[in-house]
Amino acid sequence: EIVLTQSPATLSLSPGGRATLSCRASQSVSTYLAWYQQKPGQAPRLLIYGASNRATGIPARFSGSGSGTDFTLTISSLEPEDFAVYYCQQRSDWWTFGQGTKVEIK
Amino acid sequence: QIALKESGPTLVKPTQTLTLTCTFSGLSLSTSGVAVGWIRQPPGKALEWLALIYWDDDKRYSPSLKSRLTITRDTSKNQVVLIMTNMDPVDTGTYYCAHSVGATHFDNWGQGTLVTVSS
Repeated sequence: EIVLTQSPATLSLSPGGRATLSCRASQSVSTYLAWYQQKPGQAPRLLIYGASNRATGIPARFSGSGSGTDFTLTISSLEPEDFAVYYCQQRSDWWTFGQGTKVEIK
Repeated sequence: QIALKESGPTLVKPTQTLTLTCTFSGLSLSTSGVAVGWIRQPPGKALEWLALIYWDDDKRYSPSLKSRLTITRDTSKNQVVLIMTNMDPVDTGTYYCAHSVGATHFDNWGQGTLVTVSS
């Protein structure tokens, strides 16, 4: 089973700041990597698929990069609604999720 | 517009069997490439994929839970059913169903249903 490790666990930033979230896979997943945003009491929302493709309706401040084992989600300028938990997910063998990164207001 | 909604019991006793139904609209599970999966989330913890069913009735299960899971579909009712046997308190959490095209990611999710396992 492929394990996804997200870092950091918590990211404390101010609105307007730049967020860089990391997701590392225990073995290559090619570009079968997606990112989700989850707010308290809500279902996850797809942000990025195929490592770098924004899902429908996702603002351009969200971008994804990487391939193989190392991936990054970047939020270029944090809006108040971006403070949430972010999960990566791979679909190379089964489907697994990372443990999440919480982006909190500093 | 795709919509999914989970339904089922909110409380089950240890050792009982859980049956959850995902009712969807705006998609057809008979269309090539379409899949519906189940994902759960214990309170305050990360997401965990459980099972997935493809448009051609092919099925996949989490290796760690495979012996306890069954996923089926009823295309006439636009429903996917997940059955989990021998429930334990550690199975407490929110259970989501989600739509996938190409089975690489989940682009539409239900609101989730909270299941508590307790005697």
